[in-house]
Amino acid sequence: QVQLVESGGGVVQPGRSLRLSCAASGFTFSNYAMHWVRQAPGKGLERVAVIAYDGSNEHYADSVKGRFTISRDNSKNTLYLQMHSLRTDDTAVYYCARTNWNDVGPYDYWGQGTLVTVSS
Amino acid sequence: EIVLTQSPGTLSLSPGERATLSCRASQSVYGRYLAWYQQKRGQAPRLLIYGASSRATGIPDRFSGSGSGTDFTLTISRLEPEDFAVYYCQQYGSSRTFGQGTKVEIK
Repeated sequence: QVQLVESGGGVVQPGRSLRLSCAASGFTFSNYAMHWVRQAPGKGLERVAVIAYDGSNEHYADSVKGRFTISRDNSKNTLYLQMHSLRTDDTAVYYCARTNWNDVGPYDYWGQGTLVTVSS
Repeated sequence: EIVLTQSPGTLSLSPGERATLSCRASQSVYGRYLAWYQQKRGQAPRLLIYGASSRATGIPDRFSGSGSGTDFTLTISRLEPEDFAVYYCQQYGSSRTFGQGTKVEIK
């Protein structure tokens, strides 16, 4: 069965860095575009970043552009989100989510999320 | 960027009643690329509807979606206790944006 398992969240001070991982299993990871979506406490959903199935293209929300980098290792079936210069408003649950190969489709599977808390 | 506005913000209903949730887009959604998700407290969202009206795998037929252009609706024909949750619409035809959510609560 399809599984997405995020890890790497935690408490970090403003200005520091953190790397999230999303381990995929139960499907051919290299055939799917992948996204990071976040949800601040008590708030709605925000797409943070997307990467093409082969890693050839990325796109970021304006709120994280220049600070976050999405990447993937298809040999390890793993998606990453490198976060630099973290701010308090980056505090959120971060989900990885799958869409189809050409990124024209809904999020049909989500991970359980990992909580990032940015606080001094 | 396409802005999605969901209404009402909160819907207070009893089990067995019909729920009608609205999602209005600031401009036409390309290809009816509109999805609905259900999120329960402490859980990840779950895909209910895609392509405005297609049910995702395993979703009961009491959930239905309709609409096109700028106006979309999610209908739950008879609310079950497990349906009380927050519902989000998302368009994926032009980049991706979410609505702010509608909470369906027990009256």
